[in-house]
Amino acid sequence: DAGVIQSPRHEVTEMGQEVTLRCKPISGHDYLFWYRQTMMRGLELLIYFNNNVPIDDSGMPEDRFSAKMPNASFSTLKIQPSEPRDSAVYFCASSSGGGRGVKQFFGPGTRLTVL
Amino acid sequence: DAKTTQPPSMDCAEGRAANLPCNHSTISGNEYVYWYRQIHSQGPQYIIHGLKNNETNEMASLIITEDRKSSTLILPHATLRDTAVYYCIVRVANSGGSNYKLTFGKGTLLTVNP
Repeated sequence: DAGVIQSPRHEVTEMGQEVTLRCKPISGHDYLFWYRQTMMRGLELLIYFNNNVPIDDSGMPEDRFSAKMPNASFSTLKIQPSEPRDSAVYFCASSSGGGRGVKQFFGPGTRLTVL
Repeated sequence: DAKTTQPPSMDCAEGRAANLPCNHSTISGNEYVYWYRQIHSQGPQYIIHGLKNNETNEMASLIITEDRKSSTLILPHATLRDTAVYYCIVRVANSGGSNYKLTFGKGTLLTVNP
């Protein structure tokens, strides 16, 4: 299994530009999670999906952030417009539900720098 | 979910056992203890979880006290590659709703020295 795949691995953009982060979960997993990690705030859950449906987006910082999951094998996290304070490492994770289901598998992350 | 307390950092000699403590004095009867770790520049990695019995897998052992108010993650023979931040997380483990959320604290930075 290839594991969770994220792209790009690194992204450098200028303030005001649109940024799209991509994630391919592990095949067969029905939960997908987006996290953000910064030195100041640590690892925070932004949003998660179950069977492609957003379940909890209470961690999404503001309307500039949006996430979609058009099918079971693909999800995007979009920031529009981006700001320097959005600079962070963004992780995608997936897991298989049913029972306890909290063995989440994380991708390698996307390091975003907004200038 | 119950709050956890971990030491910010620990050192361990290579080849020796690393014992990482976690306090979770407000844990409820239906809450599990989970451990994840994050090696520098990588995503977090699941290690082990348990309810009240001690657990062991190929990565580590988890010892939970009888009153369940604390636990210890044991890496029996630490290697340099075990240097990472280790997170202890307590949460209810059942299906559905918002119970799939994991709340990561600051964790313990374990440094394995040669």
